[in-house]
Amino acid sequence: GNSVTQMEGPVTLSEEAFLTINCTYTATGYPSLFWYVQYPGEGLQLLLKATKADDKGSNKGFEATYRKETTSFHLEKGSVQVSDSAVYFCALSPQNTGANSKLTFGKGITLSVRP
Amino acid sequence: KAGVTQTPRYLIKTRGQQVTLSCSPISGHRSVSWYQQTPGQGLQFLFEYFSETQRNKGNFPGRFSGRQFSNSRSEMNVSTLELGDSALYLCASKLGVRGNTEAFFGQGTRLTVV
Repeated sequence: GNSVTQMEGPVTLSEEAFLTINCTYTATGYPSLFWYVQYPGEGLQLLLKATKADDKGSNKGFEATYRKETTSFHLEKGSVQVSDSAVYFCALSPQNTGANSKLTFGKGITLSVRP
Repeated sequence: KAGVTQTPRYLIKTRGQQVTLSCSPISGHRSVSWYQQTPGQGLQFLFEYFSETQRNKGNFPGRFSGRQFSNSRSEMNVSTLELGDSALYLCASKLGVRGNTEAFFGQGTRLTVV
């Protein structure tokens, strides 16, 4: 079945540091890939997505590139802010057949950014 | 445009009771999915509804059920509550059922079973 593996956390960084959060997946075909963010006490917010190989999703300074050859979708940001402190989830949805579009999530990683 | 609305936000129930959670999707969205979030198991898929029909179901016991109404609003029900059902229950709505369609989540209902 489908699965998503995220690097172990938590991660603590100083403000303006570079961020990388690793995500790899197992799925048949070409799934759609997503990064969601969850702030304390809130639901999930879509951060960015990519739906085909070599696509780059970007939003709010965050970027991730769909790498089919390494089955990866690593999240990066050049300069983190205190307001980026949250839990980040990598997720996939099966190939665009419509038969089963459920999201499979990684375990999530908590990011804390110090001033 | 209003987002996904889940009610109530918090619930405390006793073991053996049943509970009903409600989700109103974004206007025009016809797909509603439910997920359970716990510290131990993470985010797990419960079920998906589209046009009042259940399309997919996750690996949960029959105590977990749901339905969708003609206005796309959805409810999920958990009967004979167990302590392990304590979790954040998240609802997500999508415009359609294609895999590349974005899912928008509500703030969740925090269920505590005592």
